[in-house]
Amino acid sequence: AQSVAQPEDQVNVAEGNPLTVKCTYSVSGNPYLFWYVQYPNRGLQFLLKYITGDNLVKGSYGFEAEFNKSQTSFHLKKPSALVSDSALYFCAVRDDSGNTPLVFGKGTRLSVIA
Amino acid sequence: GAVVSQHPSRVICKSGTSVKIECRSLDFQATTMFWYRQFPKQSLMLMATSNEGSKATYEQGVEKDKFLINHASLTLSTLTVTSAHPEDSSFYICSARTQTGGESPLHFGNGTRLTVT
Repeated sequence: AQSVAQPEDQVNVAEGNPLTVKCTYSVSGNPYLFWYVQYPNRGLQFLLKYITGDNLVKGSYGFEAEFNKSQTSFHLKKPSALVSDSALYFCAVRDDSGNTPLVFGKGTRLSVIA
Repeated sequence: GAVVSQHPSRVICKSGTSVKIECRSLDFQATTMFWYRQFPKQSLMLMATSNEGSKATYEQGVEKDKFLINHASLTLSTLTVTSAHPEDSSFYICSARTQTGGESPLHFGNGTRLTVT
């Protein structure tokens, strides 16, 4: 079975500092990994994905994530946080079989303080 | 591109009535759409997969007679919450992919906040 763990319910960071939102996963095959952001009372917006290739993937709004197969992790990072980055972030995974749904983590609330 | 429009954004209904939520893919065709439910401070729970021209596939524990899904065209899927009860109050979100295949990301509507009084 597929699963995603986001160990932190809340991450607080000062504006201008680097941020990391953690994600670990479990799949039976090769993972397809995604990060989404959700603003209040809105749907989810796609940030970036890892399918294959380079372990470091870059996405929207200056975010990036690093795929680490040995640690089964896909942490979201940004070198310099903005107050406008404050939102709820979801990591999601599915395997490459094509027959399984996308499974979401429980979400991490990021708060960037000016 | 890849815009998914969901309507209404908010709805309040009385217990026992039915509510229909529409999900449209505005600039692409979607043979498959996905309906999620999100509880406060919780993750998204996949309710069902909507298939154009055929029956929806429901996840375990989701009542298909209560949550009616219709996917009549390549750009429209509807979710009808029948005989709504207060415990059905939640945030419902639809999504779709522009391409088949799991490597393509999901694009989400803005969600519908349902409140049953």
